Amino acid sequence: DTEVTQTPKHLVMGMTNKKSLKCEQHMGHRAMYWYKQKAKKPPELMFVYSYEKLSINESVPSRFSPECPNSSLLNLHLHALQPEDSALYLCASSLRRPGTNTEAFFGQGTRLTVV
Amino acid sequence: KNEVEQSPQNLTAQEGEFITINCSYSVGISALHWLQQHPGGGIVSLFMLSSGKKKHGRLIATINIQEKHSSLHITASHPRDSAVYICAVSGGSNYKLTFGKGTLLTVNP
Repeated sequence: DTEVTQTPKHLVMGMTNKKSLKCEQHMGHRAMYWYKQKAKKPPELMFVYSYEKLSINESVPSRFSPECPNSSLLNLHLHALQPEDSALYLCASSLRRPGTNTEAFFGQGTRLTVV
Repeated sequence: KNEVEQSPQNLTAQEGEFITINCSYSVGISALHWLQQHPGGGIVSLFMLSSGKKKHGRLIATINIQEKHSSLHITASHPRDSAVYICAVSGGSNYKLTFGKGTLLTVNP
C-alpha cells in the first residue's frame, strides 16, 4: 500500500461551521504534513508532524488545528474559516522528515470551499 | 533560501513528441523531486533524485549536481501526460520542500 488517503474529497462549509479533514497512510511513515494550495500556485507548507508530535507550524492561524492521534492518521480541524481559506488541502507523508533523502507521498487532496 | 526555477512555464506538444522540462536551483540540496499534478487533482511523486539518472516507463529524470540542474524527459508523449509537472528540492537543515512554479504540459492527439 503506497497510498495517502484523504477524506472528504470535497467540502463546502459556512464561516461558522466546524469541520475536519482526515488523512491516513499505512506505509509506516513517521512524518506527515499538511499543505495548502491555491489555484495555479505551488503548495504551501502548513504543519509538519514527526513521530506524532507537531514539529513545525508555519505561522498558521489558529482557526486551523492539526491533530495526529496515531502514526497512521492526521486530522485538520477547521473552525470559523474565511472565504480566502478556500483551497486544495493536501496531506503528505514521508519515511523521514524533509531535508533528508526521503520521498514524499501526497494524497489527492480535499477541495475546500468556504461560503 | 533556495530558488527553484522551471522552464518552460507552458508547453504544448503533439502526441508522440519527445518532451523536456528543465529545473534549476540556487543552493546545494540533498534531493530533487519531480511531481505530477492533474488539473484539480492531488500530487503524484514521479522521481526523487540525488544524483545521476532514473527511468520509469516513458519518463526519464536526470540531475547534474555541479550545474544545479535537472531535466524531466517524456518519450512518446500521450494526451494522458497532460498535467502540471512540478520540481521541488529539499536539503540541509531546511525541513521544507521548496517548489518550483510548475510547467503546464498539454499533449494534443
